Amino acid sequence: NAGVTQTPKFQVLKTGQSMTLQCAQDMNHNSMYWYRQDPGMGLRLIYYSASEGTTDKGEVPNGYNVSRLNKREFSLRLESAAPSQTSVYFCASSESGAGNEKLFFGSGTQLSVL
Amino acid sequence: EDKVVQSPLSLVVHEGDTVTLNCSYEVTNFRSLLWYKQEKKAPTFLFMLTSSGIEKKSGRLSSILDKKELFSILNITATQTGDSAIYLCAFTGTASKLTFGTGTRLQVTL
Repeated sequence: NAGVTQTPKFQVLKTGQSMTLQCAQDMNHNSMYWYRQDPGMGLRLIYYSASEGTTDKGEVPNGYNVSRLNKREFSLRLESAAPSQTSVYFCASSESGAGNEKLFFGSGTQLSVL
Repeated sequence: EDKVVQSPLSLVVHEGDTVTLNCSYEVTNFRSLLWYKQEKKAPTFLFMLTSSGIEKKSGRLSSILDKKELFSILNITATQTGDSAIYLCAFTGTASKLTFGTGTRLQVTL
């Protein structure tokens, strides 16, 4: 049972480089999310997709773009990485996004921007 | 603006102690409050609470929600070193997406 799979697990970028974080879930969930976690800040929502074909901004969307490629996959792109984007990134999914349900998380991507 | 505050930020206890972690919130149209445990990587789900006064239990862990006073507590009895983790609380409100607190870092020593 894979659940939520994120790639890569680690990445080092130079300022200005671009990259895409990949996320896939095999639970047939409708909703998917991208969070970042920084020391002392908890988990902050970057973008979410309530259902296939829709995406919405979360709390900290600046500097990021997302694509809900299909029901399974939700990618996060950094067009021009900045040191402030050094963080641990988590993808998550939930069954319907209705609000009364738990999220399932991937194992995270540790990103460093030099 | 919706917000959630957890306390304490961190604590260290001895194995066998009982701990109480706190989560207070201010949210428009509260729908649910969830507790997660985060050890090394991905947060894992512990409890979801939607009704006031109902206690959820799983082994040595239990949680209760007070919707009138806008807080929840997570109790861990007879703590073990394996309980060492960051405990996160989160809620869903009008926007139907989870908003997390900053977490409480618990360290259980021998």
